[in-house]
Amino acid sequence: EVQLVESGGGLEKPGGSLRLSCSASGLTLSDAWMTWVRQAPGKGLEWVGRIEKKTDGGTTKYAAPVKGRFTISRDDSRDTVFLQMNSLKTEDTAVYYCGTGSGTITIGHWGQGTPVTVSS
Amino acid sequence: EIVLTQSPDTLSLSPGERATLSCRASQSISSSGLAWYQQRPGQAPRLLMYGTSNRFTGVPDRFSGSGSGTDFTLTISRLEPEDFAVYHCMQGGNSPLYSFGQGTNLEIK
Repeated sequence: EVQLVESGGGLEKPGGSLRLSCSASGLTLSDAWMTWVRQAPGKGLEWVGRIEKKTDGGTTKYAAPVKGRFTISRDDSRDTVFLQMNSLKTEDTAVYYCGTGSGTITIGHWGQGTPVTVSS
Repeated sequence: EIVLTQSPDTLSLSPGERATLSCRASQSISSSGLAWYQQRPGQAPRLLMYGTSNRFTGVPDRFSGSGSGTDFTLTISRLEPEDFAVYHCMQGGNSPLYSFGQGTNLEIK
């Protein structure tokens, strides 16, 4: 069974940084494209970015609101994907989910999410 | 960037009724990349449909998906009490950037 567990969320001030982790089990992480999605309080889902598997080039893509501030990386040896968030803004406040899929399924499995609050 | 617009924002129906949810893309997208998710309060989203019309593992057959180009539909043939939730469409797959619709809240009438 695929399990994804996010961690690293919390309270941070505007302009600060946080690093989220997504630990995976039940799959071979090196074979997986990984995606980060966020959900602000009372709002819909927002795609944050993704990282391809290394054999596909390991390319990262980001949504416009986070491009240049957020960085996705992976450590396949630790079965973990990271979301480094810098220059945080109040509008980055959300629950952050990691997800993965296979084949034509972009996100078939989701973590439980980790909350991030950006406030002074 | 491809913008997905879902309609309606809120749909009020009774158990046993048929629900039709719409997802419209700002430009033509590949049907292989269109997915639907269900989200109950306090829970992570759950994949229902992928590739427009394929049910994910364990999804009841009262759920069906259709569409192509810019217009996609999720249909729930006979609503069960557990179906009242928020539904999100997403375009992904081979698209360089992914995006979600704003969600449709399916509520009990």
